[in-house]
Amino acid sequence: IVMTQSPDSLAVSLGERATINCKSSQSVLYSSNNNNYLAWYQQKPRQPPKLLIYWASTRESGVPDRFNGSGSGTDFTLTISSLQAEDVAVYYCHQDYSVPNSFGQGTKLEIK
Amino acid sequence: QVQLVESGGGVVQPGRSLRLSCAASGFTFSSYGMHWVRQAPGKGLEWVAVIWYDGSEKYYADSVKGRFTVSRDNSKNTLYLRINSLRAEDTAVYYCARVGRDGYNYDYGMDVWGQGTTVTVSS
Repeated sequence: IVMTQSPDSLAVSLGERATINCKSSQSVLYSSNNNNYLAWYQQKPRQPPKLLIYWASTRESGVPDRFNGSGSGTDFTLTISSLQAEDVAVYYCHQDYSVPNSFGQGTKLEIK
Repeated sequence: QVQLVESGGGVVQPGRSLRLSCAASGFTFSSYGMHWVRQAPGKGLEWVAVIWYDGSEKYYADSVKGRFTVSRDNSKNTLYLRINSLRAEDTAVYYCARVGRDGYNYDYGMDVWGQGTTVTVSS
């Protein structure tokens, strides 16, 4: 499954909304439990990735509620409702619906 | 606390082999699937392999199939990645990551990551 993110980079003003899209080449919806096997990660420089969202819209424990995931099937969105300075990072989507797993190419988020 | 610590990286000549380790602590290692993910310098994340909690199933990226072997020793709480016939394109930071699991034993994503170990393939 090929994961394609858009845009590749994004500059947003502090306090404004940031939106990152991810499209999978096949559906990642698992019919038996109605979960989309799509996760979002945040990676800051010189750090490992951090899980933000799983099953497309479930926020990982401890993740601020300004991070929201949505979508189903093949089209997904990560929204940061009010950008903070500490949100500057590269964001990746990841499908674990099937093996081999795959990541999107990443979206670099900066402050405008 | 829940922790993963990778080791075994270094500078290696092309064609040689290497074994990476990932030591787990703070959780019941034998209950969780585990991934390896790598990141070449300045590039994005690349999924490498996954192994089931009991080692019964293993899957690999097409780019590493036949050269990489994932294994685990649940008695030692340790995950391994054997890399044979190293190539320049294997140069990367290698991360181990735990498969997330909810209260109903449904798996999701990668919820715990190590800090990574760097492999540099160079003559």
